[in-house]
Amino acid sequence: AQSVTQLGSHVSVSEGALVLLRCNYSSSVPPYLFWYVQYPNQGLQLLLKYTSAATLVKGINGFEAEFKKSETSFHLTKPSAHMSDAAEYFCAVSGNTGTASKLTFGTGTRLQVTL
Amino acid sequence: DADVTQTPRNRITKTGKRIMLECSQTKGHDRMYWYRQDPGLGLRLIYYSFDVKDINKGEISDGYSVSRQAQAKFSLSLESAIPNQTALYFCATSDSRQGTYEQYFGPGTRLTVT
Repeated sequence: AQSVTQLGSHVSVSEGALVLLRCNYSSSVPPYLFWYVQYPNQGLQLLLKYTSAATLVKGINGFEAEFKKSETSFHLTKPSAHMSDAAEYFCAVSGNTGTASKLTFGTGTRLQVTL
Repeated sequence: DADVTQTPRNRITKTGKRIMLECSQTKGHDRMYWYRQDPGLGLRLIYYSFDVKDINKGEISDGYSVSRQAQAKFSLSLESAIPNQTALYFCATSDSRQGTYEQYFGPGTRLTVT
């Protein structure tokens, strides 16, 4: 069974500062990993995904994430925060066999960007 | 046009009423899912369907039922709504041919049970 832990339910950064949102996973098989973003009153939008190719994954809006198997982590980063990045971010994990398309989500991290 | 649509977008209902939430998709995906979102709990899977004849319970299926009327349509029913079913409900789809399992979400239905 898979699980995801997102450290920090709320993160606040200044505009222009580094964004770091943490995600650790547990999986009995090599995982596929995802970051989704949810803007207010909207559904979830895929930011990026790791599917066992390159360990550094680039996504939309300048975000990227690095898969570190030794640390069971998939942290999301962006070098310079913008006001429009304020949203809730969810990390999700899927096994890659059988009923693998079931995703397990973390509890989310709300990102606040201040001037 | 949105690829995954949900109706209604907002609904207020009373305890004991039967409610149906509908989801339609034009993505041609074979797999569909229903989740609920509660503050601080993330998204939890209610039911999922890998094709029209394959429906499975998720982690929190009690009090809910589903119907997969066609590949493009997947409905969620609350037979007798209760206040703790007040939540944001999302439908999602995925394509088994992609092999990478990402899901695509609808805009959500905000349900309030009074």
